[in-house]
Amino acid sequence: AQTVTQSQPEMSVQEAETVTLSCTYDTSESDYYLFWYKQPPSRQMILVIRQEAYKQQNATENRFSVNFQKAAKSFSLKISDSQLGDAAMYFCAYRRRRNSGGSNYKLTFGKGTLLTVNP
Amino acid sequence: SQTIHQWPATLVQPVGSPLSLECTVEGTSNPNLYWYRQAAGRGLQLLFYSVGIGQISSEVPQNLSASRPQDRQFILSSKKLLLSDSGFYLCAWGQESSYNSPLHFGNGTRLTVT
Repeated sequence: AQTVTQSQPEMSVQEAETVTLSCTYDTSESDYYLFWYKQPPSRQMILVIRQEAYKQQNATENRFSVNFQKAAKSFSLKISDSQLGDAAMYFCAYRRRRNSGGSNYKLTFGKGTLLTVNP
Repeated sequence: SQTIHQWPATLVQPVGSPLSLECTVEGTSNPNLYWYRQAAGRGLQLLFYSVGIGQISSEVPQNLSASRPQDRQFILSSKKLLLSDSGFYLCAWGQESSYNSPLHFGNGTRLTVT
């Protein structure tokens, strides 16, 4: 079974600085997808960024970027120029590619990293 | 555009009472639907998923059940709630046809069993 590990229960960063959140995963699959979700105090789950395993280029979305190391099964999230609104719980998630003829996919989540942004 | 609605937002129920949480999706057809539970200080645990009307798969044994009476409606139920059923419940949908499609979540229901 696939597992996702986020080894940092809590992190903090100063406003305008950069922070990196760690995520590792365990899978025997070669083709899959990885996601970072943000859950602010409102508790709504918001997609931050996604990465396809077959793409070597790291995904970027404005101030958010990932460092995807497939051989190491590592998928870290870098937040540049941190803003107060970035304060939230961040979840790393894994999803395998759809099975041929299959009809479901499921996201497996890590336990999350609580990010605090200090003014 | 697609939207997902989940209600109620907050619920306080006594032990032994029934439960019904509802989730509906608009703007898409034949979505995959999911119920996740988030216990305090923990990640999201998948409870049920559905790939079509009447098709329900359970991920963990528990006191809850799910049903999908219509294509875009997903219901989480219990006949008798336990204290351990307290938590934050999230409904989500995904589109099978898009390989890298993420899950889209509702706003969640905070359930407190007293």
